[in-house]
This record gives sequence, structure tokens and C-alpha cells, in this order.
Amino acid sequence: EAGVAQSPRYKIIEKRQSVAFWCNPISGHATLYWYQQILGQGPKLLIQFQNNGVVDDSQLPKDRFSAERLKGVDSTLKIQPAKLEDSAVYLCASSSQGSNYEQYFGPGTRLTVT
Amino acid sequence: KNQVEQSPQSLIILEGKNCTLQCNYTVSPFSNLRWYKQDTGRGPVSLTIMTFSENTKSNGRYTATLDADTKQSSLHITASQLSDSASYICVGEGTGGFKTIFGAGTRLFVKA
Repeated sequence: EAGVAQSPRYKIIEKRQSVAFWCNPISGHATLYWYQQILGQGPKLLIQFQNNGVVDDSQLPKDRFSAERLKGVDSTLKIQPAKLEDSAVYLCASSSQGSNYEQYFGPGTRLTVT
Repeated sequence: KNQVEQSPQSLIILEGKNCTLQCNYTVSPFSNLRWYKQDTGRGPVSLTIMTFSENTKSNGRYTATLDADTKQSSLHITASQLSDSASYICVGEGTGGFKTIFGAGTRLFVKA
């Protein structure tokens, strides 16, 4: 079974620039999550999708972050414009049903904002 | 405020030794508690998951315990190996399904 795929693996941008991350969840997984993990901290949930609908985006900085999951499969997370404090690893995860089932994480995208 | 606190922040042990990592949580009401292992540069991988009615769950050399009364969990690693060097993250999930709280993790270093 293929795991959660993410790209790119690394990205370096200057502040005020835009960036987009892509995630392909495990086939058949209805729930998709985006997390932000700052160095030395645990992951923080940014947004959770159930199929192509948003379940929880309470911690998503909506003035600069946006995410979509068209057709309930792949998802993109965008930051526009980026700030220095956005430097982190962005993890995508998927699970088979709801959020009481095991989450499978991708390798993450390490973003550095200079 | 729902929180998950882990201790110690980091730990160094010799290969072959046992160790125990602690997790205190205030996620209420409580649904599930998970432990993840996160290798450097990789995403977390689930080790164990327990509901509030379970007291212990094992996965090979990893044994998690849960005391729902004191809201404490521990992860015990037996006969540590170099490959156990990683961050171990405790995660609390409240009812309603989607209120997931991650701890900051314990960074474990196993030395030869």
C-alpha cells in the first residue's frame, strides 16, 4: 500500500513570497489533515477535511493560509504572503474514517522563510 | 484549556536499557490517547492507541499504559535499540472526533 505522498520535500522562499504544498493521501482515505510542526514542538492541526468538505479549520491563519481538497482526493496548502514565523515542517496525514482512526503521515515539506 | 504535556523533554540512554516516557493530559472529555514515533526528517508513525477504558497496550518492545483517573499515560521501551532514537509524541483526542492535541514530544537518544 502506497503511503501519503507530499511535495516538495524542501522549499526555501523569501518573506512575502507565496508557496504551495501538495499532498496525495492513501487511496480510499476520506479524511485528510494538514499540520504545522515548528522545530522542537509537536504538530499543530491547521485544517481537517472529510472528503472535500472542511471539518475543522479553527487554527488556520485564514488571512494568509488557504487549503483545498478538490474531488476529495489530493489537497494543496497555500501560504500567501509568507512570514518568517511560517518556517516549519508541513505534514499531511490521512485516515480511513473520521478522526478516531489511525492517521498515516507523509514525510512532510520543510519550509524555510528568509 | 486542553493540553498534553510530556516529560522529560529529552533523554539519553545506553543501548539495551529500558526507559519510560511520561504524558499528562487535560483533554476533556477524553476519547483516545495515541503514542507516535517520529524519526528525524519523517512523519510520525503510530505506535499505540488506547481508549479511556484500556489500561495498557503493547506493540513489540513498546508498552503504553493509561490511567484515566489521573489523566496520565506512559510509554515504556524495553531493551532499547539504536533505532529507537527518535521523538515520541503523545496525542490526546477529545470526543466529537476532531479535537486532537499533540504533545511537544520527548526526544530519545540511544547510545551504543
